[in-house]
Amino acid sequence: GNSVTQMEGPVTLSEEAFLTINCTYTATGYPSLFWYVQYPGEGLQLLLKATKADDKGSNKGFEATYRKETTSFHLEKGSVQVSDSAVYFCALGRYNFNKFYFGSGTKLNVKP
Amino acid sequence: ETGVTQTPRHLVMGMTNKKSLKCEQHLGHNAMYWYKQSAKKPLELMFVYNFKEQTENNSVPSRFSPECPNSSHLFLHLHTLQPEDSALYLCASTSSGASSYNEQFFGPGTRLTVL
Repeated sequence: GNSVTQMEGPVTLSEEAFLTINCTYTATGYPSLFWYVQYPGEGLQLLLKATKADDKGSNKGFEATYRKETTSFHLEKGSVQVSDSAVYFCALGRYNFNKFYFGSGTKLNVKP
Repeated sequence: ETGVTQTPRHLVMGMTNKKSLKCEQHLGHNAMYWYKQSAKKPLELMFVYNFKEQTENNSVPSRFSPECPNSSHLFLHLHTLQPEDSALYLCASTSSGASSYNEQFFGPGTRLTVL
């Protein structure tokens, strides 16, 4: 089947620290992988995506590489800011299907 | 308006009330979704519509009734809800079909409180 597992939070970091949020997946076929971010009181916003193995998605200093050999799509940022405090969701989308599978979300708190 | 809009943004209703949530997408997508997001629980898929046809009902209680009159509009009709139905209800849309690697676009959600 298809599923996404991401690390439980909350993750608390000081400003300018390095961030990693782990995400692994199981899938049949050739999925696309996504990271979404949700700020308080808002819906989910796409942060970055990768559609095939070895692709690297990047946006706003965040990066994630689609690793088929380890079935992973870990989110990284070199230097976090207070404004990055939010909940981050890893997700999998099946090519040519309407189905998306979300991880449980990881809350990130960044302290000044 | 651009993207995916949802109205109302906040709704408080009693258990005997009937209300409706509305979602509209201005992106030319053909698939629309309802999700429920409760505190401390994973995102729950409720319904999927593809070209106005319901393709998924994830064992949702009948007190939730979806309607998709066209590819741009999606409703969720609510009646005789329970307090445990209080949650953030999110609408999303995407372009589905062959050669589609597209992501979902989400609305801001409707915060529902059932008293």
